[in-house]
Amino acid sequence: DAGVTQSPTHLIKTRGQQVTLRCSPKSGHDTVSWYQQALGQGPQFIFQYYEEEERQRGNFPDRFSGHQFPNYSSELNVNALLLGDSALYLCASSKGDNPYNEQFFGPGTRLTVL
Amino acid sequence: AQSVSQHNHHVILSEAASLELGCNYSYGGTVNLFWYVQYPGQHLQLLLKYFSGDPLVKGIKGFEAEFIKSKFSFNLRKPSVQWSDTAEYFCAVNARNRDDKIIFGKGTRLHILP
Repeated sequence: DAGVTQSPTHLIKTRGQQVTLRCSPKSGHDTVSWYQQALGQGPQFIFQYYEEEERQRGNFPDRFSGHQFPNYSSELNVNALLLGDSALYLCASSKGDNPYNEQFFGPGTRLTVL
Repeated sequence: AQSVSQHNHHVILSEAASLELGCNYSYGGTVNLFWYVQYPGQHLQLLLKYFSGDPLVKGIKGFEAEFIKSKFSFNLRKPSVQWSDTAEYFCAVNARNRDDKIIFGKGTRLHILP
C-alpha cells in the first residue's frame, strides 16, 4: 500500500518564477492538505482540498493556489516566487474532510528560491 | 488567533531517562490536540491525539500525553526513553467549531545519548 508520494524531491528556482508541486494521496484517501515548513519551524497550513474544491485556507497570499484532480491527486502552484518561499512543502492526505481523521504526511518537496 | 508554544527547542537526554516535552496553546474553546513525530529521514507521523474523554492519552512506542484544560497544556511524556526516540516532536492544535485549521508548534528536537 503506497503512502503519500510527492514530486519532485528537490527543486531550485529563481525569484519571480512559478513552480508546481505534486502530491498523490495514500490509497483510499480523498482529502489533501498542503503545508509549508520553513527551516526551524513547524508546518504551516496552506490549504485543503476535498471533492476537487478548496475547503479551507491558511494565511497565505493568492500567489499560492492549488488544484485537486478526480483521482484525488493534487498540485500546489506558487507564482512570482520570493526568497521567503524557500521551504519544505508537505502534503498530507486523509479520508473525508473530517478533522478527526488522521492525516498521513508525504516526504515533502524541498524548494529553494535563489 | 490560535497559537501553539513548545517551550523546549532542543532536549538532550541519556537512555532510560524520563521525558516530558511541554506544549501550551492559546484558544479558549474546545480543541483537538496532537503530537507528531519525525524520525531522522522519515515522514512526519502521528504519535497520539486527544479529541475528548480521558485526558490521559496513550500513544505509540510508550508515549503518553495529558490534556490539562485549566493550563491549556498537552505535555508529552515517556517514563524511559530509548536511543531510537531521537527525533523532532511537534505539538499541534485545531479549534473545534471554528475553522478546524491545524496549527503546529515549532517543534522540539530530542537527542538521546546511547
